[in-house]
Order: sequence, then C-alpha cells, then structure tokens
Amino acid sequence: DAGVIQSPRHEVTEMGQEVTLRCKPISGHDYLFWYRQTMMRGLELLIYFNNNVPIDDSGMPEDRFSAKMPNASFSTLKIQPSEPRDSAVYFCASRIAGGSYNEQFFGPGTRLTVL
Amino acid sequence: GQNIDQPTEMTATEGAIVQINCTYQTSGFNGLFWYQQHAGEAPTFLSYNVLDGLEEKGRFSSFLSRSKGYSYLLLKELQMKDSASYLCAVRVSPSDSGNTPLVFGKGTRLSVIA
Repeated sequence: DAGVIQSPRHEVTEMGQEVTLRCKPISGHDYLFWYRQTMMRGLELLIYFNNNVPIDDSGMPEDRFSAKMPNASFSTLKIQPSEPRDSAVYFCASRIAGGSYNEQFFGPGTRLTVL
Repeated sequence: GQNIDQPTEMTATEGAIVQINCTYQTSGFNGLFWYQQHAGEAPTFLSYNVLDGLEEKGRFSSFLSRSKGYSYLLLKELQMKDSASYLCAVRVSPSDSGNTPLVFGKGTRLSVIA
C-alpha cells in the first residue's frame, strides 16, 4: 500500500492567494483527518470525516478554511484568502474503524509558507 | 478543555535509558497513544495503552495509570536514530466505540548524543 498521499509537499504563496491541499487516504480507510502543526501550538485537529461526511469541524480556525471529501479516495483543504499566520505543516491522516489499535496513519504533510 | 503535558526537550546518551512522561486532563478517556516524529517527517505510531500497566515492544515500552492521568514512554538502549519528537495523544471518548479523534500533546524533542 502506498500509504496516505498528500500534495503538494511544499507550497509557497503570497498573502491573499487561494491555497488547495490534497489528500488521498489509504484504500479502505473510512476516517480522514486534517491536522495543522506549528511549533507554538503543536498538532491540532482541524476537521475529520467519516465515510466522506464531515463529523467535527470545530477545529477549523475561521471561515477562510474549508474542507471537502467528494469521495472515499480524495479530500481537499482550501484556504481562501491565505494569511502569513496560516504558515504551518498540514497533515492528512486516515484510519479504519475497528482496526487493531484504531491508530491513525499520517501522510508526509504539506509545508505551507504564506509570504 | 483538554490538557496534555509533556516536557519540551530531553537529552540522553547513546546506549542509555530515557523515560518521557505525559500527564493528561481530559473530559473523557478511551486510550493513549505514543507517536514518533522525525524532523520533517510525519508522525508514526509507536504504542497504545487503554488499560493500566506496561506494554512492551522491543526497545520501547509504554506505561499507563488512568487514575493518575499519567503515562510514560521508556526507550532502552538508545540509538542515534531515536533522536526525534515523541508525541503523546489521548482518545477522548465517552464510549467504547473508539471512533473519536486524538488530542495531541505538543511533543517532547529527544536528542541522543554520543
């Protein structure tokens, strides 16, 4: 299995631009999570989906952030307009309900820099 | 709110033993995880505890005391490649479904020196 796939791996953009991050979960996994990691705040959950349905988006910072999961193999996290404080590493993770430990498998992350 | 505390940084010598502590105060509890994260990489799963006691996995062991809201990760025979951040995470769930996300601590950056 290829694991969780994220693209792009690095993104540099200017303030005000729209940014779209992409994630392909592990095949067969029915939970998908979006996290943001910074030195100051650590790893924070933004939103998670179960069977493509958003379950909890209380971690989404504000209306500039939106996430979709149109099908079981693809999800996007969009920031519009982007701001310098959005600079962070964004991780996507997936897991299967009822797995041995219910552990999450993380993608390699997207390092976002907003100038 | 949810609170998970770990030391920010630790340093240990190659071949030694190191213990990384984690304390938590959460609205519910349904398991504690330890993840390892090398610089610039994704977190990877190390261990899981849901009952009190010690879980051993090769050079790594993890301990849990639910009554004290406390866990530790024990790394034996340290190697240079163990230099990484170690993240403690709690599944906050009122049920046994296990189908809730994890709340992560900020991580402990471990440096292994020769």
